[in-house]
This record gives sequence, C-alpha cells and structure tokens, in this order.
Amino acid sequence: GAVVSQHPSRVICKSGTSVKIECRSLDFQATTMFWYRQFPKKSLMLMATSNEGSKATYEQGVEKDKFLINHASLTLSTLTVTSAHPEDSSFYICSAGRTGRLTNEKLFFGSGTQLSVL
Amino acid sequence: AQTVTQSQPEMSVQEAETVTLSCTYDTSESDYYLFWYKQPPSRQMILVIRQEAYKQQNATENRFSVNFQKAAKSFSLKISDSQLGDAAMYFCAYRIQGAQKLVFGQGTRLTINP
Repeated sequence: GAVVSQHPSRVICKSGTSVKIECRSLDFQATTMFWYRQFPKKSLMLMATSNEGSKATYEQGVEKDKFLINHASLTLSTLTVTSAHPEDSSFYICSAGRTGRLTNEKLFFGSGTQLSVL
Repeated sequence: AQTVTQSQPEMSVQEAETVTLSCTYDTSESDYYLFWYKQPPSRQMILVIRQEAYKQQNATENRFSVNFQKAAKSFSLKISDSQLGDAAMYFCAYRIQGAQKLVFGQGTRLTINP
C-alpha cells in the first residue's frame, strides 16, 4: 500500500530556533498534502493544505509566518516552525492522497512528529 | 461549516464483547464520505472503515461495522468481539465529495478490559 514517511519522529529544540519537518509520499505522487496538529488527548486540527508548486492554504487562526509550508515537488512537503516557542510544542501529522485519482481515494498519514520546545 | 461531534470522550468494554462508538455530524452537502480512524499509542492513524453517503448499505470490515443514518446525520461504529488490540483513540471524520480535506471529531478513547 501507499506509504507516507514523516521525519523526524521526535525533535527537541531550544526556544527561538526553527525546526523543519518533512513529509514524503514514497510510492505515489501527491499534488496536495495536509498538515495537522494534535495536542495531548485531543483531536487532529487541520493547520494548512500544502499545494505543489503554489502557496499553501492556511486554516483560520494559523500563523502563516510561524508555520512555513513548502511543497516543491510531487513527493515532498515541508513544515518549518519558525522561532519556536514552548507553546508550539505539539504532535504534528501530515497526510497525502494520490494525484490524479478520484478524490474518493483514501488519504495516507505520516507517523507524526513530536515537537518539544524547551 | 462542517462539524463532527463525538459525545463519548471515553468508553470501555470487556474483551470479546461488543461496543458502539457514537458520531454525529453537521453538513449541508449531499455527497460526502464518513470515516472512522483508529489511533493506537504509536499515534499512527489507521483507517478502520469508510462510508459513502450515497450508499444506503452500512459498511462492514470484519469485526467493524457502522450504523449510518443519513437523515439523522449519525454515523456510529460497532466493534464486535472486542480484542485487546482494539484499545486506541477512535476518530470519526468527514470529507465532502471532490475534496481531500478531512474534518475530525474530538475522539473517543476506547479501553478493552481483559
């Protein structure tokens, strides 16, 4: 089956630094990828929709300058948390669906990244 | 805006018994998809079952089945013969036809008692 790889799985950084999280579709092309944030024991909240070759679409309340998204190829989207602060600590998950297929195709999820900002 | 509501933060069931998780949703769309996802302690999201809104027949996947009531906008998940490996967070999710964006419910934590 299709696989989405997310890296790193865990990252600890100092406050004020930037952290980059990668989401790769390993055996299919994905025009669109999604970035979610999940707080402990809470649901997944969509942060943004990453579009290959164009600007990401951010959900209301998500800071575009804080969470930079780049989708430079059909198999890679990156989320950069800039000038991270402790309140950015969270579990981040990406998902992707195949390009060119009917949109009733299921989405595939990465294994997530736990970000801890000290 | 579409919303998904799971009113049971936690549920527990004895091993081998049956449990039903509730989900309601709100939408003005007529064509959409509903999903149940499982998130075990590894936190990897796993698709359990999917239902197309245009289908009247309830979806089933082995021990997992749904009760889809379109008029009531209800989409419950029944797990039969519960197993210890079923312990996880379960999320109900919604997606409209023609889009890939998922809207998730708050989640239900399911505990299986041996």
